[in-house]
Parts: sequence; C-alpha cells; structure tokens
Amino acid sequence: DQQVKQNSPSLSVQEGRISILNCDYTNSMFDYFLWYKKYPAEGPTFLISISSIKDKNEDGRFTVFLNKSAKHLSLHIVPSQPGDSAVYFCAASEVGGSARQLTFGSGTQLTVLP
Amino acid sequence: EPEVTQTPSHQVTQMGQEVILRCVPISNHLYFYWYRQILGQKVEFLVSFYNNEISEKSEIFDDQFSVERPDGSNFTLKIRSTKLEDSAMYFCASSERGQGVGGGYTFGSGTRLTVV
Repeated sequence: DQQVKQNSPSLSVQEGRISILNCDYTNSMFDYFLWYKKYPAEGPTFLISISSIKDKNEDGRFTVFLNKSAKHLSLHIVPSQPGDSAVYFCAASEVGGSARQLTFGSGTQLTVLP
Repeated sequence: EPEVTQTPSHQVTQMGQEVILRCVPISNHLYFYWYRQILGQKVEFLVSFYNNEISEKSEIFDDQFSVERPDGSNFTLKIRSTKLEDSAMYFCASSERGQGVGGGYTFGSGTRLTVV
C-alpha cells in the first residue's frame, strides 16, 4: 500500500538549473509533509516541511509546493549545486497522535552535473 | 549542531540471537523514534516513544521488538530473536515536539544490522 509515491527513481540536472522533485500521496488524512535528503551511509536530513493549510513554503534555495486537490507536492531547488546530489525522500504524517509517524516515499536520486 | 548518535554503526549477528541497538537522542528532545530501511526499500516507521511509553507502533514492531529509555539519555531498540529478514539499516530519530508543530526529526546515521 503505497500511500506516498515518488514515481521518478532518478533525476539528472545541470548545475545552476532548477531541480523539481515530485511526490504524490493517496491518504487524505495526511496534513503535514516533509522533504528529507539522504547521503550514503548517513541518516535522512530534514530539509523543509509544509502544513496542509499552506500551498507554498520557501527556505533559501528550497521551495515546497503543495496541491491538496491533486494530492501532489513538489520540491524545487534553485539553483542546483553538485552538493545537492543525494537521495530525496518525501514524507507525510497524519492528523492525530502526540508523536506521529512519518510515511516515506521510495526516494528520488538527484544527480547535479557540474 | 546537536546530533543523534547511534552505536554500533554495523552489527552482525546470528539468526536467533538478541541484539540491542543504541541511540543517544538530542538532549532536549522529548519524542523518540525508530525507523528501518531494508536494502532497496523504503524507510519504514517502527515505533515512537514519548513520556516513557510507546506512543505509536507499526505492524512491523511485533513482540520480538521492544524499546527502552533506561537512563534518561539512551534510547534502545531490542530484537529478541533475530530473523534473516530483520537485516536492515535501523535509524533512530528524535524531535523536540511531535510532528505537525513545525520542523522535522533529527535522524542518526543508522546501524546496519546483518543477520546471518
């Protein structure tokens, strides 16, 4: 049961250009969405999040867009840098509970080419 | 920057043996978690822990698994009788507040458990 889907296993982008990573979800109870970056042999690192009451959140080069009607979110990285090359995970959490679990997507390997 | 520390980084154990994976969460964090990632698969939630008790657990977290915060700083995951399919990278995480109130977890670097 794939409640959070990242349909692109990999993405290559030229340095300086925009990287757009996509994520779809099926569970309408999700109300909080996060993006994590993961390098090999390291744990996921939190990047940016968005609550379901917003449609956009920006932090430096990273912007997350949420389209609730389409159950779709995306992460934009502008400009992309070689150090951004990593696996990016979309994650979501549901309404309720004091310590809510995250449901992760399968990840997208981003490669930024110099 | 504060870190979540996990030890050991790699653990090899024989099937049927007990293992304890250790984590030191960030000191002012109140919520603690274990996740795992089987090679080539998604990161999966195992358990969350708050106020000295389990808050949520997944179907994966069966009777073979237990968690403990024995001394106010360590947070451990015990697998009583390991199976081959328990081989995975196990990530500990902590957060200051529960999700949905801003920010994400801080994850540790993981313990690679190999059951042979």
